[in-house]
Amino acid sequence: SQKIEQNSEALNIQEGKTATLTCNYTNYSPAYLQWYRQDPGRGPVFLLLIRENEKEKRKERLKVTFDTTLKQSLFHITASQPADSATYLCALRLGFQKLVFGTGTRLLVSP
Amino acid sequence: GAGVSQSPSNKVTEKGKDVELRCDPISGHTALYWYRQSLGQGLEFLIYFQGNSAPDKSGLPSDRFSAERTGGSVSTLTIQRTQQEDSAVYLCASNLGLAGSDTQYFGPGTRLTVL
Repeated sequence: SQKIEQNSEALNIQEGKTATLTCNYTNYSPAYLQWYRQDPGRGPVFLLLIRENEKEKRKERLKVTFDTTLKQSLFHITASQPADSATYLCALRLGFQKLVFGTGTRLLVSP
Repeated sequence: GAGVSQSPSNKVTEKGKDVELRCDPISGHTALYWYRQSLGQGLEFLIYFQGNSAPDKSGLPSDRFSAERTGGSVSTLTIQRTQQEDSAVYLCASNLGLAGSDTQYFGPGTRLTVL
């Protein structure tokens, strides 16, 4: 069956460090993968999209990698700040205009 | 500009009652999605509207769930004879519905509690 896995345990890191979140998938061949941020009581907000022919994508302090052989994406936040504390969701394209989401990983950045 | 709005923000109902949840997408967005997010779970796809095409209802969990979209804009998700397992946050999203523009813009959600 198709599955998207994100670490269900919260990731606790210290301010200034690099946070790395993992998204693994099985039985998909997605054309691209997206990362979203979700704060408590709010809907997800789009952060980055990476296509299958791209190895890496950057946006300010964010970096995403996409390894279609390993079926894995890594999401990095460099120089993390307490304001980065949130849940981060990965999503794969499933058919035209449809996304399937992982369960998300909660990131806690301590001052 | 205005984002996706949903109402009500919170809804508490008794088991067996019907509820209606509303979504106002971003103006000009032809695609509209409904998702359900239970505590500690990922987003579960429910239904997808694209323009005037027949909706993709493949994610609706039972025939108690239905949705419509009037005039290609506002959408209503209806849950009949609510059950306690229907308790969740119901999220609506929209986008331009064009190839290559699959980023979805989400509303704040409606938290449904079935007692």
